[in-house]
Amino acid sequence: GESVGLHLPTLSVQEGDNSIINCAYSNSASDYFIWYKQESGKGPQFIIDIRSNMDKRQGQRVTVLLNKTVKHLSLQIAATQPGDSAVYFCAENLSLNNAGNMLTFGGGTRLMVKP
Amino acid sequence: NAGVTQTPKFRVLKTGQSMTLLCAQDMNHEYMYWYRQDPGMGLRLIHYSVGEGTTAKGEVPDGYNVSRLKKQNFLLGLESAAPSQTSVYFCASSRSLAGGETQYFGPGTRLLVL
Repeated sequence: GESVGLHLPTLSVQEGDNSIINCAYSNSASDYFIWYKQESGKGPQFIIDIRSNMDKRQGQRVTVLLNKTVKHLSLQIAATQPGDSAVYFCAENLSLNNAGNMLTFGGGTRLMVKP
Repeated sequence: NAGVTQTPKFRVLKTGQSMTLLCAQDMNHEYMYWYRQDPGMGLRLIHYSVGEGTTAKGEVPDGYNVSRLKKQNFLLGLESAAPSQTSVYFCASSRSLAGGETQYFGPGTRLLVL
């Protein structure tokens, strides 16, 4: 079946370094991708998104790259800070033909920032 | 705005008991969703609603029912709780149908079924 998945379950980085979290997807019909950050005991929080007609989008300290050729998505966090420590989920969106949209989530990557 | 709120925050049930989880949003969103999150896993969609009075099944709907009597509220019911329903439940809402509309999540409800 088609799924969204992540390459690395845990990523440990030094404070100040850049972080890269990767995600593979296999559903070619997905039109939109989202990265969520989830801190312990909280709900997922939107970080950044990208539509399938784009290959790069930048936010504040974060960049999402989309490679449709190999169906790969990545989240880059610049100058990683202790507050960035969390679990990061990628999600792919499918529009359900006038029935809303359905997000399919990957399993998550835990980012640990070492001081 | 409070965004998306969920009650209760935590609940313990015995097998066979019933309960209702309440989700409320004050953003006037049309679409609402219920997910469950199990340890080490991503979120899986249980049911969703595209508007007041409408509901639809998601990926894992069995054992749950939902109702959307008011636009701002989306209720998730467990008629006869089972240990397999021990999970963290998240509600979310989004503004519209269009692909690309961000879903906003509530803080979650932790449910333990003994």
